[in-house]
Amino acid sequence: AQKITQTQPGMFVQEKEAVTLDCTYDTSDPSYGLFWYKQPSSGEMIFLIYQGSYDQQNATEGRYSLNFQKARKSANLVISASQLGDSAMYFCAISSGGYNKLIFGAGTRLAVHP
Amino acid sequence: SQTIHQWPATLVQPVGSPLSLECTVEGTSNPNLYWYRQAAGRGLQLLFYSVGIGQISSEVPQNLSASRPQDRQFILSSKKLLLSDSGFYLCAWTMGGHQPQHFGDGTRLSIL
Repeated sequence: AQKITQTQPGMFVQEKEAVTLDCTYDTSDPSYGLFWYKQPSSGEMIFLIYQGSYDQQNATEGRYSLNFQKARKSANLVISASQLGDSAMYFCAISSGGYNKLIFGAGTRLAVHP
Repeated sequence: SQTIHQWPATLVQPVGSPLSLECTVEGTSNPNLYWYRQAAGRGLQLLFYSVGIGQISSEVPQNLSASRPQDRQFILSSKKLLLSDSGFYLCAWTMGGHQPQHFGDGTRLSIL
């Protein structure tokens, strides 16, 4: 069975600094996808970035990058130049099986301080 | 572009009452559709998914059911709500493979 572990319940960072949110996963499938979502206090889930298991390069999307270490089964999210609007819950997820079902971690609450 | 609509945004229901939450997707055909529930301060748990009209798969045994009467419509229902059904319910769609899922704005359900 697939599993996602996010060991940081809460993190804080100074505005304009970079921050890394940890995510480790467990799966026996050779083909899988890893996703990061942001959930502001309003509740909507915002897709940030995706990494495929066969992708050779780390994914990047603007200020977001994914540090993918396949042998360690980790997929950490790096946010560069943090902004106050980055304060939110962040969830790591893995897609499972043929129907793209997502298994989510417990999340990390990020607080950006001015 | 594709959009997903979910309503209502907030719902307060008494124990034992029925439930119907609706989700519709626009701008795409034959999407995979999903219902998730999120308890306070927790991650999302997949409840149901559907890969086509009338095709529903349940992930966890519970007091809820789902239906897909039309290609882009997904409904979450219950005949009698329990206190444990409280939570934040999110609908999502994707075109399959390892494409990202896109979520609706969610429904906050409180059971009294």
